[in-house]
Amino acid sequence: EAGVAQSPRYKIIEKRQSVAFWCNPISGHATLYWYQQILGQGPKLLIQFQNNGVVDDSQLPKDRFSAERLKGVDSTLKIQPAKLEDSAVYLCASRVGGSYEQYFGPGTRLTVT
Amino acid sequence: QKEVEQNSGPLSVPEGAIASLNCTYSDRGSQSFFWYRQYSGKSPELIMSIYSNGDKEDGRFTAQLNKASQYVSLLIRDSQPSDSATYLCAVSISGGSNYKLTFGKGTLLTVNP
Repeated sequence: EAGVAQSPRYKIIEKRQSVAFWCNPISGHATLYWYQQILGQGPKLLIQFQNNGVVDDSQLPKDRFSAERLKGVDSTLKIQPAKLEDSAVYLCASRVGGSYEQYFGPGTRLTVT
Repeated sequence: QKEVEQNSGPLSVPEGAIASLNCTYSDRGSQSFFWYRQYSGKSPELIMSIYSNGDKEDGRFTAQLNKASQYVSLLIRDSQPSDSATYLCAVSISGGSNYKLTFGKGTLLTVNP
């Protein structure tokens, strides 16, 4: 079974530029999560999707971050404009209905200069 | 604010010893508990899940849960240098489809040959 796929793996941008990350969850996993992990910290949930609907985006900085999950499969997370403090690893995770276990993709390491 | 607390470490043990990792959580409504292993530069990997009080063993790993004390631990027996990683404790409260994890900051474990 293929795991969670993410791209790109690395991205370097200047502040005030925009960036987008892509995630494809494990096949059949209806729930998809985006996390932000700053160096030395645990992952912090940004947004949760159930199929193509948003379940929880309470910790998403909506003035600059947006996310969508069209057709209930893959998802994109966008930052516009980026700030220095957005430098982090952005992790996508998915979960199948009936299970509590989340599985992570390899992440995208973002550096904002 | 629901919190998950872990000693940041580093925890250093000799090869072959038992490594003991601890985690406390603040929300008594928490129902599911997980341990993730994260190697440097990699994404979190699920290694143990536990849902009821007591012990759960899987190979060299044992998870222990005490809901009354709001405490969960991970024991690694016969520690190997390949176990050197950051161990993240994650706790969830399920509320219908709004099921999400809160992570601790992680404990860095070093196993010395």
